[in-house]
Amino acid sequence: AQKVTQAQTEISVVEKEDVTLDCVYETRDTTYYLFWYKQPPSGELVFLIRRNSFDEQNEISGRYSWNFQKSTSSFNFTITASQVVDSAVYFCAFDGGTSYGKLTFGQGTILTVHP
Amino acid sequence: DARVTQTPRHKVTEMGQEVTMRCQPILGHNTVFWYRQTMMQGLELLAYFRNRAPLDDSGMPKDRFSAEMPDATLATLKIQPSEPRDSAVYFCASGSPTNANTEAFFGQGTRLTVV
Repeated sequence: AQKVTQAQTEISVVEKEDVTLDCVYETRDTTYYLFWYKQPPSGELVFLIRRNSFDEQNEISGRYSWNFQKSTSSFNFTITASQVVDSAVYFCAFDGGTSYGKLTFGQGTILTVHP
Repeated sequence: DARVTQTPRHKVTEMGQEVTMRCQPILGHNTVFWYRQTMMQGLELLAYFRNRAPLDDSGMPKDRFSAEMPDATLATLKIQPSEPRDSAVYFCASGSPTNANTEAFFGQGTRLTVV
């Protein structure tokens, strides 16, 4: 069975600091997908990124970047120059290659960015 | 702007009452998921449908929960009878999983309180 672990329950930073959210997964699948979702205080789940298991290229989108390392089964998320609006719960999720869209979520990391 | 629509957004009910939650998936999406979010269990998959057929409802308590898709534009999740432990946020998500595109888009959730 798949498992996603987000070891950091809560992180608190001051605006403009960089912050990295860790995600480690366990699976025996060779094909799979990894996701990050953001849940702001309003409660909805916002899709941020999807990676497949064959693509270990790091990705950057504005202030967000993701580091996927298959060797350590990690898919970490970094916010550069954090802003108050980044305050949210962030979830890492896993989708086995034969169960498209059926997500196993980590427990989430609460990020608070102070002004 | 296509989005998943869930109704009601909030529901307070007494123990023993029937609760029905509704979801309108994004037009054209062929897969619908129901997730439940609680503090203790986090986000967990209850059931999902593809082309209106139930594929997996193993995460759902069978004795009191039921999920249906009467048509392609409506998914329902029903609890009868409701219990205080059912208090949670229930999310619906939709997608059209393929090799290239597996992300699910979430609704804003229904916050259920059973007293």
